[in-house]
Amino acid sequence: DTGVSQDPRHKITKRGQNVTFRCDPISEHNRLYWYRQTLGQGPEFLTYFQNEAQLEKSRLLSDRFSAERPKGSFSTLEIQRTEQGDSAMYLCASSFSGRRETQYFGPGTRLLVL
Amino acid sequence: AQRVTQPEKLLSVFKGAPVELKCNYSYSGSPELFWYVQYSRQRLQLLLRHISRESIKGFTADLNKGETSFHLKKPFAQEEDSAMYYCALSGPNGNKLVFGAGTILRVKS
Repeated sequence: DTGVSQDPRHKITKRGQNVTFRCDPISEHNRLYWYRQTLGQGPEFLTYFQNEAQLEKSRLLSDRFSAERPKGSFSTLEIQRTEQGDSAMYLCASSFSGRRETQYFGPGTRLLVL
Repeated sequence: AQRVTQPEKLLSVFKGAPVELKCNYSYSGSPELFWYVQYSRQRLQLLLRHISRESIKGFTADLNKGETSFHLKKPFAQEEDSAMYYCALSGPNGNKLVFGAGTILRVKS
């Protein structure tokens, strides 16, 4: 296992288009997180799953954003009708719940909306 | 409200000098505090957490609940310490992390 992977690594799209990102967590991890990072800021929490269940969503996650983790393994994050303000790095992290939970981050998907 | 503040965007020191990266937080309860590091062209990774009370790569951090601070310290900086450092907190039961804006540490030779 080489760690958390994300695909694609880079995405350029035009305003109004839909985009979908994928995250493959470390195989034994039951939690999966999505964060967004804009220039000069730290990562901001978007949502997380424990197994298949989406347990929390941030107010940052507008109705144009949807995330799924259908079989409790990989996850997808879809942004509909993209806006220029959606341009950011989208980070995925996974962990095993419990004491001393440690989140392991993927390399991120950099989105540019033109 | 949960918030993490890192007042310095950039800290530049000479090799061998002491380093202190500042972190202050606000949280109503007992958070868990972390330092994450991102080296050039690498992914974000955990450096240390307050409950471990350990030294990693010569770095230590002490949680001061009275001052709501979790400053990261190293007595003698090395060039390979140059990186972006993020302070973060989570609730006592884990789950989401709240990050500060980060501090770039630049160690000059």
